[in-house]
Amino acid sequence: ETGVTQTPRHLVMGMTNKKSLKCEQHLGHNAMYWYKQSAKKPLELMFVYNFKEQTENNSVPSRFSPECPNSSHLFLHLHTLQPEDSALYLCASSRGGTGGLSYEQYFGPGTRLTVT
Amino acid sequence: DQQVKQNSPSLSVQEGRISILNCDYTNSMFDYFLWYKKYPAEGPTFLISISSIKDKNEDGRFTVFLNKSAKHLSLHIVPSQPGDSAVYFCAASALTGANNLFFGTGTRLTVIP
Repeated sequence: ETGVTQTPRHLVMGMTNKKSLKCEQHLGHNAMYWYKQSAKKPLELMFVYNFKEQTENNSVPSRFSPECPNSSHLFLHLHTLQPEDSALYLCASSRGGTGGLSYEQYFGPGTRLTVT
Repeated sequence: DQQVKQNSPSLSVQEGRISILNCDYTNSMFDYFLWYKKYPAEGPTFLISISSIKDKNEDGRFTVFLNKSAKHLSLHIVPSQPGDSAVYFCAASALTGANNLFFGTGTRLTVIP
């Protein structure tokens, strides 16, 4: 496997379900991100982990819970979601640190989530 | 309030002609700018970037221009090819914001054969 992978690619869940999204990066990066992409809106940054430490929580509701067990893996645990949470959830990674190259983020293909 | 704006949701260009995609930003602290391309069912892929110390960066058919005084950047693709048809996102970052990127809403480019 190369690059950034995400599973599952598609997920349909009811509002009372608990599910998890998984992201894995094979690039040796130290920073990982969760984004939400809704129709006709810019990518919304949700969480940032730098060297396994959460450095950003962009006012995300507590029904979204991230977990970063190591610098290669990132999870997004979902619980009692709402229909408006239906969106494409993208994971990304970058080198971490500062400087131009650290700004270049590499994205996974995303998980298309539908909450019914 | 959106800090990075792409005011044209779509653009159609004939194959072989130039495509110009525009992006405006409001935060004067932004010092690094990137363009990403996204095909359906795939994540965005990095295309080209520019630092605020430059006003132009070229990579093959792709050139990004930065006008700091106008807080405006543009991506030129010449000649345009049908495979360039995708959604293009502009993104910006500030040194003090660590690695956080702020994205525009995207412009869907269609290159007509």
